[in-house]
Amino acid sequence: EAQVTQNPRYLITVTGKKLTVTCSQNMNHEYMSWYRQDPGLGLRQIYYSMNVEVTDKGDVPEGYKVSRKEKRNFPLILESPSPNQTSLYFCASSPDRQSGSSYNSPLHFGNGTRLTVT
Amino acid sequence: DQQVKQNSPSLSVQEGRISILNCDYTNSMFDYFLWYKKYPAEGPTFLISISSIKDKNEDGRFTVFLNKSAKHLSLHIVPSQPGDSAVYFCAARPMDSNYQLIWGAGTKLIIKP
Repeated sequence: EAQVTQNPRYLITVTGKKLTVTCSQNMNHEYMSWYRQDPGLGLRQIYYSMNVEVTDKGDVPEGYKVSRKEKRNFPLILESPSPNQTSLYFCASSPDRQSGSSYNSPLHFGNGTRLTVT
Repeated sequence: DQQVKQNSPSLSVQEGRISILNCDYTNSMFDYFLWYKKYPAEGPTFLISISSIKDKNEDGRFTVFLNKSAKHLSLHIVPSQPGDSAVYFCAARPMDSNYQLIWGAGTKLIIKP
């Protein structure tokens, strides 16, 4: 089954303790992206990647890191999490290098990771 | 300042009637608009899109209308079904960016039986 898989689904951690949220897609997509969803703000892009070893900042990159060593994986790293990073996180992928806005290549999302930082 | 706004956090509609979800934008430089649907505990899924050169796009029960002069788009669902109960996000792609979408805050649609 074609899918984007995020792990873990739920995570509670403490301020300053490094964590990684994994994202993997089995559709051979070139484009991958991380979003956070907060009440009243919709989805905001954190980082995106157009291909292996090519990443760039989105709208809210502060406090996050990513890597794209393989096409299928795009982990999100929080080196020193803070309470303002408590949010719902989504990983997404798209078949081409665009953002998934064309008729033929919409974004495919994972089921989300709910992170709480205390 | 949010460039894409969904001013109704929630909407309740009777089953079988028409649901109309609205989205306003402030930037004239968007070339595509999209609607995504999200169920609880799942990620958003693509529903329908429209190019800025069109004013209507239809797919089954779903129709999106674009009014460029008013910077407004709407999603019509006819007839509404219980499975349509979800959060609907409007998103727009800036012409000067192939890599980013600007998202609205979402509208929660509740279909009453």
